[in-house]
Amino acid sequence: GESVGLHLPTLSVQEGDNSIINCAYSNSASDYFIWYKQESGKGPQFIIDIRSNMDKRQGQRVTVLLNKTVKHLSLQIAATQPGDSAVYFCAEKRSNDYKLSFGAGTTVTVRA
Amino acid sequence: DTEVTQTPKHLVMGMTNKKSLKCEQHMGHRAMYWYKQKAKKPPELMFVYSYEKLSINESVPSRFSPECPNSSLLNLHLHALQPEDSALYLCASSQGGITSTDTQYFGPGTRLTVL
Repeated sequence: GESVGLHLPTLSVQEGDNSIINCAYSNSASDYFIWYKQESGKGPQFIIDIRSNMDKRQGQRVTVLLNKTVKHLSLQIAATQPGDSAVYFCAEKRSNDYKLSFGAGTTVTVRA
Repeated sequence: DTEVTQTPKHLVMGMTNKKSLKCEQHMGHRAMYWYKQKAKKPPELMFVYSYEKLSINESVPSRFSPECPNSSLLNLHLHALQPEDSALYLCASSQGGITSTDTQYFGPGTRLTVL
């Protein structure tokens, strides 16, 4: 079936380095994509989103890239900090559909 | 302000108990959601309310009963739960209707343990 998934379940990053978290999706009809950060014991926190009419969107220290040709989504975190340690979920939604479909999640650990 | 609040933060209940989870948002959002999340897994959709009406029930067992008293509040009534229902229960809301691509904002969740 069609789903959203992540390439790697875990990612270990040195503090100060840049992080790249990847996500693949299979439905070309998907037109809204979102990244959430979930810290231990908390609910998912919105980080950044992107719509299918865009290739790139930047926020504070984060950039989301969308490659519709290969159905790939990535989240880049600049100058990774210890507070960035969390599980990151990508999610996608299709027009006229009610459901937000989540990927499996990537656990990011920042090494001091 | 994009805050969704949930109470209680933690709940322990026996299999014969009746309890309720509460969710509140004051962002004027018209869609509200209940999700269940097991450890190390993504959230799973349970129910969706749109304009205070139940729009989606993702085949959830009847021991879970949602209620939307008004546009700002969402409850989840629990009765005769099983130990496997232990999970983090998340509430979310979004601005428009359920088929819109408005961002869903999540609350902190209620950690439920069923003994």
